[in-house]
Amino acid sequence: RKEVEQDPGPFNVPEGATVAFNCTYSNSASQSFFWYRQDCRKEPKLLMSVYSSGNEDGRFTAQLNRASQYISLLIRDSKLSDSATYLCVVNNRNTGNQFYFGTGTSLTVIP
Amino acid sequence: EAQVTQNPRYLITVTGKKLTVTCSQNMNHEYMSWYRQDPGLGLRQIYYSMNVEVTDKGDVPEGYKVSRKEKRNFPLILESPSPNQTSLYFCASSPDRAVLGIQYFGAGTRLSVL
Repeated sequence: RKEVEQDPGPFNVPEGATVAFNCTYSNSASQSFFWYRQDCRKEPKLLMSVYSSGNEDGRFTAQLNRASQYISLLIRDSKLSDSATYLCVVNNRNTGNQFYFGTGTSLTVIP
Repeated sequence: EAQVTQNPRYLITVTGKKLTVTCSQNMNHEYMSWYRQDPGLGLRQIYYSMNVEVTDKGDVPEGYKVSRKEKRNFPLILESPSPNQTSLYFCASSPDRAVLGIQYFGAGTRLSVL
């Protein structure tokens, strides 16, 4: 079973739409969670960390549900520049300092 | 400029010919890591290092070696490359144990093993 699973999409949404991605993780001991963004096979870049209480950064909101072992990313008022692949990342420091990446969800925002 | 630098960016080689991909960071980061990215499999961690002379296996270490003799450098060594190591490789670094998830990635190395 994969450590982290994401719906690969693609998600094609019009500008201004709200879109949400989910990501599930298999290890209940996972401690740290993140969303990264990757453009066209370039290097991934941190979008935001995901905190237990949920957190917001402008149009982006991240949530963590430990009971169901998933994290989510909500993008409001989508812009063309949001088109990218969004990677879910999980870390469990108790078993080392490995990071597990999801395969990514592809988003295309259409004019 | 703060950055993680990988070299080479593109490499075509033949089976069995030893190669090294260099990675250097100028941010005095403790944590460094190597990943490979393959279609449908996402990024998978090869090796990581918490500090100088400390390295650990990630998910897919077979066929790779690393060393961390200096804080800024973390080279990836393929002693005898095989075609299944054809991939996109990323090096990353992170400031310290408290903020491990905040990783800064190099621009990537596209490796083809014929």
